[in-house]
Amino acid sequence: KQEVTQIPAALSVPEGENLVLNCSFTDSAIYNLQWFRQDPGKGLTSLLLIQSSQREQTSGRLNASLDKSSGRSTLYIAASQPGDSATYLCAVRPWDSNYQLIWGAGTKLIIKP
Amino acid sequence: SQTIHQWPATLVQPVGSPLSLECTVEGTSNPNLYWYRQAAGRGLQLLFYSVGIGQISSEVPQNLSASRPQDRQFILSSKKLLLSDSGFYLCAGGRDFGYTFGSGTRLTVV
Repeated sequence: KQEVTQIPAALSVPEGENLVLNCSFTDSAIYNLQWFRQDPGKGLTSLLLIQSSQREQTSGRLNASLDKSSGRSTLYIAASQPGDSATYLCAVRPWDSNYQLIWGAGTKLIIKP
Repeated sequence: SQTIHQWPATLVQPVGSPLSLECTVEGTSNPNLYWYRQAAGRGLQLLFYSVGIGQISSEVPQNLSASRPQDRQFILSSKKLLLSDSGFYLCAGGRDFGYTFGSGTRLTVV
């Protein structure tokens, strides 16, 4: 059974730092992995989608990597800003399912000005 | 690109009243559609998903039901709301190229 873990559960860093959020999964047979952010009281915003055949995706200051063999994905945020403060979630779609999404519990990120 | 429209943004309903939340999808065909609920400070709880018109799967037995009368329309309903139905309801859609969420409906049952 696929399980997704995000560590740390919370992270507080000063503005300007580069940081890495981690997402681990137990079964390497995935179709894709998606990173989201959620601001308090808001819906989820998709950040990056990595298909199974890809190693990384980039959007602006964000870079997500995928290593299926080790069951890991990382979300790298460069030059963090207070506006990056949010909860970051990763979700895995298993290879053998066309509807399942397995969610991590999220990392709550606070960027201090 | 895909967009999920969800309304209303907030809703206050008395116990025992009916509920209808609507979600529509723009920019894609035949998406998987999902209803999630999120309690304050908690994770996402999957309520229903649909892989096609008229096809509904329930993940949690409860006071709610869902319907998909059209390819891009997903409706969450209740005949009689309970206090425990309060929460933040999110609609999501997608399939092979990732998932998109609506902006959510905050439901308070009083």
